[in-house]
Amino acid sequence: GQQLNQSPQSMFIQEGEDVSMNCTSSSIFNTWLWYKQDPGEGPVLLIALYKAGELTSNGRLTAQFGITRKDSFLNISASIPSDVGIYFCAGLTITGNQFYFGTGTSLTVIP
Amino acid sequence: NAGVTQTPKFQVLKTGQSMTLQCAQDMNHEYMSWYRQDPGMGLRLIHYSVGAGITDQGEVPNGYNVSRSTTEDFPLRLLSAAPSQTSVYFCASSYSRWQGEQYFGPGTRLTVT
Repeated sequence: GQQLNQSPQSMFIQEGEDVSMNCTSSSIFNTWLWYKQDPGEGPVLLIALYKAGELTSNGRLTAQFGITRKDSFLNISASIPSDVGIYFCAGLTITGNQFYFGTGTSLTVIP
Repeated sequence: NAGVTQTPKFQVLKTGQSMTLQCAQDMNHEYMSWYRQDPGMGLRLIHYSVGAGITDQGEVPNGYNVSRSTTEDFPLRLLSAAPSQTSVYFCASSYSRWQGEQYFGPGTRLTVT
């Protein structure tokens, strides 16, 4: 199956710092999604990207759909303790049938 | 709206037993899917459905069956449980397969002994 390489695998940052994470694929995707998952919960959609080059914000979160359509980036500005969780990228194949997920970035924010 | 609901929340099975994980959504979504989540492996697609009466296999379909007789319900059946199926199972839905905004249920934590 498709492989989405998500990095970094984990991050430990101080409250107030900015965070960057990215996701790369060997295949082209039509849609990139970013999710956050809290312990014991299902993933919650943060941002959806539909066009190459698109830059979309959701509060302190900003995500970009890479020009090559093989990558995407998520930035979190001025992190706060409630940002703690696991962040997943996901890509939708060009056939529109299947989403593939990255392995996640675990974020810890130190107050 | 309740969104996407899943039952049960926890389940323990013995090897060889069968069971059905329930998933329902009340948003009139066409696209529904089942994922399993294992440590360090993200979410992997088991089966999906683009509408009532239409299902297809995902990345890891072996050992699982699905059906979609109504728009609202998408049950996942484990035919003969194996320890390798110990995982957390998530159901998700979206308006259509082309609309990427999938909404996830709370998950079912399954242990097979």
